[in-house]
Amino acid sequence: AQSVTQPDIHITVSEGASLELRCNYSYGATPYLFWYVQSPGQGLQLLLKYFSGDTLVQGIKGFEAEFKRSQSSFNLRKPSVHWSDAAEYFCAVGAGNQFYFGTGTSLTVIP
Amino acid sequence: GAVVSQHPSRVICKSGTSVKIECRSLDFQATTMFWYRQFPKKSLMLMATSNEGSKATYEQGVEKDKFLINHASLTLSTLTVTSAHPEDSSFYICSARGTSGTYEQYFGPGTRLTVT
Repeated sequence: AQSVTQPDIHITVSEGASLELRCNYSYGATPYLFWYVQSPGQGLQLLLKYFSGDTLVQGIKGFEAEFKRSQSSFNLRKPSVHWSDAAEYFCAVGAGNQFYFGTGTSLTVIP
Repeated sequence: GAVVSQHPSRVICKSGTSVKIECRSLDFQATTMFWYRQFPKKSLMLMATSNEGSKATYEQGVEKDKFLINHASLTLSTLTVTSAHPEDSSFYICSARGTSGTYEQYFGPGTRLTVT
């Protein structure tokens, strides 16, 4: 069965520090991979996606993610975090007709 | 492009009444729409998948008679919560998928339902 794991429930980083949010998936074929961000009370905003090709994908707001097939991972990174990045982040796998979401990682940014 | 709207954004209703939430794809045709429910500080839980012109497919544990889904056109799907109870209070998010075949879903802004 397909599944998505985000091992870190909550992460706190200092503003200006680098960030990496982990995502591992379980799927038999090459999946379609997504990262979304959600601010409180808001919907989901797509940060970036991977379908095929270059395994390092660039997204909006300075985010990037790298698909590593050998590790079944699609970790999200940002070199320098801004206070406005504080939000909930969801990794998702598109497989078949559905999306499978991770449980989310809550990011707190301290001054 | 690929904008999905939801209406209303917030709704408060009394226990026992029904409430309808609309999900519209504004600039593309959505052959498939999805309805999710999100509990506070939790991930999204898929409730059902609806294809235009056919019956929705509900996930295990989701009551079909309570959460009525209609996908009457390629740009509109509705979720009706019938005989709402306080435990139905939640954040409901819809998404729509176009015809590109890339599995990408475009999400609406969500509807906050509060049942008193």
